[in-house]
Order: sequence, then structure tokens, then C-alpha cells
Amino acid sequence: DGGITQSPKYLFRKEGQNVTLSCEQNLNHDAMYWYRQDPGQGLRLIYYSQIVNDFQKGDIAEGYSVSREKKESFPLTVTSAQKNPTAFYLCASSMRKPGTGANTGELFFGEGSRLTVL
Amino acid sequence: GIQVEQSPPDLILQEGANSTLRCNFSDSVNNLQWFHQNPWGQLINLFYIPSGTKQNGRLSATTVATERYSLLYISSSQTTDSGVYFCAVNPSWGKLQFGAGTQVVVTP
Repeated sequence: DGGITQSPKYLFRKEGQNVTLSCEQNLNHDAMYWYRQDPGQGLRLIYYSQIVNDFQKGDIAEGYSVSREKKESFPLTVTSAQKNPTAFYLCASSMRKPGTGANTGELFFGEGSRLTVL
Repeated sequence: GIQVEQSPPDLILQEGANSTLRCNFSDSVNNLQWFHQNPWGQLINLFYIPSGTKQNGRLSATTVATERYSLLYISSSQTTDSGVYFCAVNPSWGKLQFGAGTQVVVTP
């Protein structure tokens, strides 16, 4: 089935450790995104990538890093520099409008990864 | 940046009732989406609706882009409709801005 797969679903980490969250999509989407959600809040954009080997900072990139070596994959590393890393992390992707090359911008989300720092 | 305001923040419905959720935004947009976040956290796409009206079963949505608002209608609500409904807009490619959401609780 086509979709976006995030792993792990739950992750516990000690303070001072880096952790990498995986996001894989088989939808052939060009663009991929990482969002953070805190309890009772909306989503905030961490990083996004429009094409392979290129990515841009979102609104809250400090303490995070990403890579986009393959179209299907957009892993997020939460570094020890992130002061409040406990959160729900959501990966998304979006497609290009056929025939135009323009990205439709319609986002589809994975099921999320819950990170808890102990 | 663009401001996205959703109302009401909370809504309690009895099963079978109808309701309207509103999303106001502060600038013209290229894209507007409605999502439902279920109790497990998954975000489900409801509508991609930068303008016009769409219907999907008991749900429908209308966006009036010139007046900078969108409405989500839930008819004959069911307990499975409970969750948080988010409106998200983007004034430029790739940076969707989310509202704070409307928490909906449907009671039996």
C-alpha cells in the first residue's frame, strides 16, 4: 500500500543523546516535511525539502537536523541542543500537480513518532 | 506571517447534532486544507479546498477565498467524529500554517 511510514512510533531518550526519527514514503512525492506538535497545540514546521539534496529551515529548526539523500526518505535528527525535545513528531509529503510541475501543496501525513526525553 | 484563527476552540455535541467550524485567515492563500486528528494522533485529510465547496459523506466544506474564511460542516455527528479539527493554509508554496484547532467531543 502507498503511504508514509514513520518509525519508531514511541521513543524514549536520555537527556544529552541525539535521536533520529525515520520517515519513508512510497507515494513518489517530491516534497517532504517535518512538523512538531506539543500537547493541545497545533503543528509547527521544523524542516522541509522540495527535492533531493535540498532542504530549508522551517519555523523551529534550532536543535534539529535533516538530510534528503533519497526521494523516499527524510530522516530527522533531534540533537542534544534541542531544549524541549519531548513532543509528537509528524512527517508529511506532498505531490506535484500533473502536467505543470507545480507542487499542489496538499499534504499527507504519517502516523507520527512520540519522543519522550527522560 | 499569515495568521490562522479557528473557532470555536472547543465543541461538545450530542450524537446526531449538526455543527459548523470556522477558519479565518489573514492573507490570500494558494492552498487550504482541513484535517481531522484522531485520538491516536493521526492526521486524516478531510478536504483540500482553496476555494469553493466540497462534500464527502456527512462532511462538507466551503472556502470563500475573497473573504478569507473557510467553514467545515459536520452533519448527523457520530462519536467517531470526536477529535481535533485543524485548518491549515499556505500563502506560498510549501509552508503550510496551521490553526490551533477545534476540539470536538461527540457524546452518545
